[in-house]
Amino acid sequence: EVQLVESGGGLVQPGGSLRLSCSASGFTFSSYNMHWVRQAPGKGLEYVSIINNNGGSTTYADSVKGRFTISRDNSKNTLYLQMSSLKAEDTAVYYCVRPYDFWGQGTLVTVSS
Amino acid sequence: EIVLTQSPATLSLSLGERATLSCRASQSVNNYLAWYQQKPGQAPRLLIYDASNRATGIPARFSGSGSGTDFTLTINSLEPEDFAVYYCQQRNSWPYTFGQGTKLEIK
Repeated sequence: EVQLVESGGGLVQPGGSLRLSCSASGFTFSSYNMHWVRQAPGKGLEYVSIINNNGGSTTYADSVKGRFTISRDNSKNTLYLQMSSLKAEDTAVYYCVRPYDFWGQGTLVTVSS
Repeated sequence: EIVLTQSPATLSLSLGERATLSCRASQSVNNYLAWYQQKPGQAPRLLIYDASNRATGIPARFSGSGSGTDFTLTINSLEPEDFAVYYCQQRNSWPYTFGQGTKLEIK
């Protein structure tokens, strides 16, 4: 059974940093590109970043470029999202996605003083 | 950036009726258009990919159609579990984008 379990969310002050993790199981992680998608409270969905299967290619939304870094450790079956210089508008549930059919349950990031 | 516009914003229907949801793209997305269902407190669930292909385990009452810039999700004979928010999403070009959603509510 495919499972994606995010962790690392929480409350952080503006300008702070946070690292999200997504632990994958039930499939050959190293064979799949992986995505991060977020959803602000009560709002729609927004693509954040994507990474190819070996980590050699990454892409970011303009809204997070230069502040967020996506990475993966295929030996640990884990996807990461390093977030820095966080802003209030980054407040959202962050979902790890195996494109396009499996989503984690999400982890909430709240940026507030 | 490709903008996806969904209509209507809210659709009120009764059990057993047919729902027709629309998604219009600001430019062609070829057939790289997906539909998702989201219920409160849950992650989105993939229903349709590449415009008309049902995802694994999705009931046959869900169908997708369209190409280019105009797409439709049809749900035949609404069941209680179908009342949710539906999003379309394109993967033709980065940034991948979602529509703003259509809320399907019980009349």
